[in-house]
Amino acid sequence: NAGVTQTPKFQVLKTGQSMTLQCAQDMNHNSMYWYRQDPGMGLRLIYYSASEGTTDKGEVPNGYNVSRLNKREFSLRLESAAPSQTSVYFCASSERPRSSYEQYFGPGTRLTVT
Amino acid sequence: SQQGEEDPQALSIQEGENATMNCSYKTSINNLQWYRQNSGRGLVHLILIRSNEREKHSGRLRVTLDTSKKSSSLLITASRAADTASYFCATALARTGFQKLVFGTGTRLLVSP
Repeated sequence: NAGVTQTPKFQVLKTGQSMTLQCAQDMNHNSMYWYRQDPGMGLRLIYYSASEGTTDKGEVPNGYNVSRLNKREFSLRLESAAPSQTSVYFCASSERPRSSYEQYFGPGTRLTVT
Repeated sequence: SQQGEEDPQALSIQEGENATMNCSYKTSINNLQWYRQNSGRGLVHLILIRSNEREKHSGRLRVTLDTSKKSSSLLITASRAADTASYFCATALARTGFQKLVFGTGTRLLVSP
């Protein structure tokens, strides 16, 4: 039982390049989330998927797209990376989209855009 | 500004001492949660306290919630070096439908042997 896994762990991109961050969970959770963590800012929600087949914008969705590929997998795509997207990205999942269900986090992807 | 703000930003103590960190928030909440993040790792859920609860315990953790002051505190008793981490409060706004968590900026705790 691996929990929430993310790939890659580290990535360096040049401005304008694109990439997809992968996330998978093996806990049969319905809801999945993408956050970014920046120094002094706390975690901010980028997109979430309350259940398979649905996705919605969070607090900071500009410059990102997501795909809920199936119940297990939720990917985050940067179509044209910008230096402002340098951050640590965390994927999380929960049994339900209600806050009373704790969220389980992956180990993160550290992205640098030059 | 952030819904949840932790205080202090950093805390350094010796093993065996107690560590207290505080969280203040601005709007009505459904619940408040505390998470721990070890360096270079993802967040781990520690404890959840609902808006109608005042105090909750889990092992060496004690959380209090004062909704009139819009504040919460996390107490770690008899700290260990392994408690060294960043601690974040996360508030769930009182609303129907999807309840996103709003995370604070965290308290960095260093426990020295």
